[in-house]
Amino acid sequence: NAGVTQTPKFQVLKTGQSMTLQCAQDMNHNSMYWYRQDPGMGLRLIYYSASEGTTDKGEVPNGYNVSRLNKREFSLRLESAAPSQTSVYFCASGRLAGGNTDTQYFGPGTRLTVL
Amino acid sequence: GNSVTQMEGPVTLSEEAFLTINCTYTATGYPSLFWYVQYPGEGLQLLLKATKADDKGSNKGFEATYRKETTSFHLEKGSVQVSDSAVYFCALRGGNTPLVFGKGTRLSVIA
Repeated sequence: NAGVTQTPKFQVLKTGQSMTLQCAQDMNHNSMYWYRQDPGMGLRLIYYSASEGTTDKGEVPNGYNVSRLNKREFSLRLESAAPSQTSVYFCASGRLAGGNTDTQYFGPGTRLTVL
Repeated sequence: GNSVTQMEGPVTLSEEAFLTINCTYTATGYPSLFWYVQYPGEGLQLLLKATKADDKGSNKGFEATYRKETTSFHLEKGSVQVSDSAVYFCALRGGNTPLVFGKGTRLSVIA
């Protein structure tokens, strides 16, 4: 039982390049999330998927797209990377439909640098 | 909307000192409250949670009590260790919505 896994762990991009961050969970959770973490800003929600087949914008969605490939996998795509997207990206999963008592479980993060 | 405010760090304590990290929240309805911990180079882990007023969450010597009258969920530990050095995040969830996080408080414990 690996929990939430993310690939890659580290990535360096040049401005304008594209890339996809991958996330998978093996806990049979309905909901999955992408956050970014910046110094002094805490974690901010980019997008989430309450269930397979649905996605919703979070607090900071601009410049990102997501795909809920199946129940296990939720990817985050940067179509044209910008230096402002330099951050640590965390994927998380949870049941959500379990109500507000449900816990979210986090992956180890992807550290992205855009030059 | 929902929001969480927690004390700014960094907080530096000597080993065996008492720890308090303040957290207050704004929310409609009856949210659940959480403390997550992030050790260096790792993702976030749930430390404790409380789902209704006057509940006390506890884990690894840490405690926090859900105080609806003061909209607070302060984290406490009676005697910190060097291994407690980490970033601590207060968070809330209202209804079937994603977690909303505070900005985090970095704790450094020195021997």
